Amino acid sequence: GAVVSQHPSWVICKSGTSVKIECRSLDFQATTMFWYRQFPKQSLMLMATSNEGSKATYEQGVEKDKFLINHASLTLSTLTVTSAHPEDSSFYICSALDRGGNSPLHFGNGTRLTVT
Amino acid sequence: DAKTTQPPSMDCAEGRAANLPCNHSTISGNEYVYWYRQIHSQGPQYIIHGLKNNETNEMASLIITEDRKSSTLILPHATLRDTAVYYCIVRVPFSGGYNKLIFGAGTRLAVHP
Repeated sequence: GAVVSQHPSWVICKSGTSVKIECRSLDFQATTMFWYRQFPKQSLMLMATSNEGSKATYEQGVEKDKFLINHASLTLSTLTVTSAHPEDSSFYICSALDRGGNSPLHFGNGTRLTVT
Repeated sequence: DAKTTQPPSMDCAEGRAANLPCNHSTISGNEYVYWYRQIHSQGPQYIIHGLKNNETNEMASLIITEDRKSSTLILPHATLRDTAVYYCIVRVPFSGGYNKLIFGAGTRLAVHP
């Protein structure tokens, strides 16, 4: 089945630094990838949609200059949390679309970010 | 995409069938029903999806009412490993451009011995 790999699985960084999270589709090409954020005991919140080779579309309230998304190839999308603050601590999850139509999304296993 | 309503929590005894309901009364004709689950601290796992016919795979069965306003996910023999949050989502088929998958609050299923 389609596999999405997310790296790192967890990261601790200091306030003010930047952190990059990678999302790779291992056995398929993903023209579209999605980034979600999840706080404890809450559901997944969509942050942005990225299409390969074009700018990401951010959901309302998500700062595009803080959460930089790059989808430079059909198998890799990256999310960079810039100038991280403790309130950015969260579980970040990516997903990738194998084919269009009604095919399901495939999710990575998430990245636990802790900003100290 | 149409909104869904699920009970916040359910319990099920191990070995018994778990029936998880979902209401999607505003679903439109071309929207599919998808079920995912999320085990603690992991990414969501795809379970099953359907348009109007009932569907079955190795994980579960999906029963969609004739008017498509509700559906039920059935785990035929629940195990402790099925304890998770289950999300019911409806969406149109993805096409080029801007697409998205929105998660609701889901149902927290607890399977107990």
